[in-house]
Amino acid sequence: DVKVTQSSRYLVKRTGEKVFLECVQDMDHENMFWYRQDPGLGLRLIYFSYDVKMKEKGDIPEGYSVSREKKERFSLILESASTNQTSMYLCASTGLAGMYGTDTQYFGPGTRLTVL
Amino acid sequence: KQEVTQIPAALSVPEGENLVLNCSFTDSAIYNLQWFRQDPGKGLTSLLLIQSSQREQTSGRLNASLDKSSGRSTLYIAASQPGDSATYLCAVRGDYMDSNYQLIWGAGTKLIIKP
Repeated sequence: DVKVTQSSRYLVKRTGEKVFLECVQDMDHENMFWYRQDPGLGLRLIYFSYDVKMKEKGDIPEGYSVSREKKERFSLILESASTNQTSMYLCASTGLAGMYGTDTQYFGPGTRLTVL
Repeated sequence: KQEVTQIPAALSVPEGENLVLNCSFTDSAIYNLQWFRQDPGKGLTSLLLIQSSQREQTSGRLNASLDKSSGRSTLYIAASQPGDSATYLCAVRGDYMDSNYQLIWGAGTKLIIKP
């Protein structure tokens, strides 16, 4: 079974802090994604990566950056956290089959971030 | 721009009923459509993936249909159980060269099955 893990389930930070969210997958997947989920808005893609050291902006990259130094790990960074970044953050991964549309994205359990 | 809508936003039915969840999309040029389940405070689990060339997919008590021309998909749940209570999301992947692997998501239908 594919396993996607995220470093924290719940996180509380203060405005202006630098925040790191980590995601690790154990299936040698090429592609990894960071989403945020807010009530009534569904999932919105922040960044994705299709290879080590490669990244692409999603729909809402402002205020975020990412890092992918190893294939299994994809980090989301909030350089200076703000209250409007309070949200549920979901990481996902998919392999080549997913790239060609025959497999799904596999999700981690999510990190609920509160910025005070 | 592709938009995905799920109506209703919430649904409550008694245990044992058969039910249908709806998903509509504005651009019929899709690569595939997926249905996911999300339990409260947790990540998403894929239920069914329908390729654009397919009309339906089945898994146990779940059946998902796809009508590309009308921009609609339905998720049919037979003999509902309290354990089916969750939020159900649909997502489409665009049939564009520059869509990469992006999925466009509906906001979900929150389903409550009453014992």
